[in-house]
Parts: sequence; structure tokens; C-alpha cells
Amino acid sequence: KQEVTQIPAALSVPEGENLVLNCSFTDSAIYNLQWFRQDPGKGLTSLLLIQSSQREQTSGRLNASLDKSSGRSTLYIAASQPGDSATYLCAVMYGGSQGNLIFGKGTKLSVKP
Amino acid sequence: GAVVSQHPSRVICKSGTSVKIECRSLDFQATTMFWYRQFPKQSLMLMATSNEGSKATYEQGVEKDKFLINHASLTLSTLTVTSAHPEDSSFYICSASPTSSHNEQFFGPGTRLTVL
Repeated sequence: KQEVTQIPAALSVPEGENLVLNCSFTDSAIYNLQWFRQDPGKGLTSLLLIQSSQREQTSGRLNASLDKSSGRSTLYIAASQPGDSATYLCAVMYGGSQGNLIFGKGTKLSVKP
Repeated sequence: GAVVSQHPSRVICKSGTSVKIECRSLDFQATTMFWYRQFPKQSLMLMATSNEGSKATYEQGVEKDKFLINHASLTLSTLTVTSAHPEDSSFYICSASPTSSHNEQFFGPGTRLTVL
């Protein structure tokens, strides 16, 4: 069974800290992996997309890495800000471009001023 | 608990026809449902936010007359792709937020639309 797990479920840090969110998946035959941000009551916002052939992607203060062989991805957030407070979701697509998207349950991040 | 279903899971249609996709929350009531689509090699993108009993809110660049959303009950939202064209071929996925917990979102399995 293909599963996506995110650890920790919740994280609270003081402003300015660098932090890492973890995502693991059971089946390494992925097509791509995506990281999303979810604000309360809102739809998902796409942050980074990593194709299976890539090792990492960067956007501003965010860096996502992918290690297919170990079934892991990390989302690194540098110099965290209170505005980064949200739930971060990892989703893996299997089955090629016509496949299914499987989501982790997310990590709820709280950045305290 | 918290299961969201979508129907159909896959659909192939001819250009110019309309396709309706259903999103149901099976064991909870959802005031808000979201519709997303994902093109090959691109990220999942929010199309619209659907609130029960009111008009949907569409994201910039999404044609509301082409993608008709109806959220007539607390357990069902539908997305109708009108006059579908090959460029509408995509993966459409919905999610639902329980009325009791707006911060959570549960996702359907998605619908793969292919327009010939």
C-alpha cells in the first residue's frame, strides 16, 4: 500500500529559526512529489514540485529535497517568520502522468514572534 | 471516517461535450469544498472554492462559465466542464472541509479527464 507520512504532526518554533519538515513514502516508484501550504479555511497553495529525476527545488526561503531510494523528502524553511504559520502538506504522485496523488496528513507549523 | 469520494475516477469524452464530476463527503458535512486541477508535470493548482448555498469563488485565470460549480448540499459539490476541449484534459481533485473543523481538508481520489 502506498502511504505518505509526515513528521512531526505539529511544530512550534520561535521566529528566525531554520526548520525542517519531513515526508516519507513507502513506494519509491514515484512520479513526482509536491509540497503545499494550507492556511485555515483556505485551499492549498503549491510551494514546490520535485520531479522524480530531480534531487531538490528551491524557492526563496524554501528548499525541498528528494531522496527516492530512502523514500524521503524534506522541506527546509530558512529564517522562519510568523507568516509561515500554516499546515504543510506533502503529496506524492504515483503511476506516471496519469497516476494518483497521495497526500500526507500534514505538519502544522506555528512560528511565534 | 472523513472520506471523500469522486465520480467518475476516469472519463474520456469527445471535444465539445460537457462532463460532470461529483465530489461527495461520505461521513461528514462539508460547508466548503475545493476544486483543484493538475496538468502533467505541473503542480496541483486551486481552481475554485465552493461554499454550500452560495456562488463559488474562482481563482484568477479560471473561467467560471466554463467550469460550473454547484454545491447544493453539505455533502455534494459538482464540477461541470462545459464544451470540453483537449486542453482541458487534466487531473481534477476535490477536497472538503468539515463543517465542524474548518482547518482540516480531506481529499478525494481525483478524476482523470481526457478530451479527445
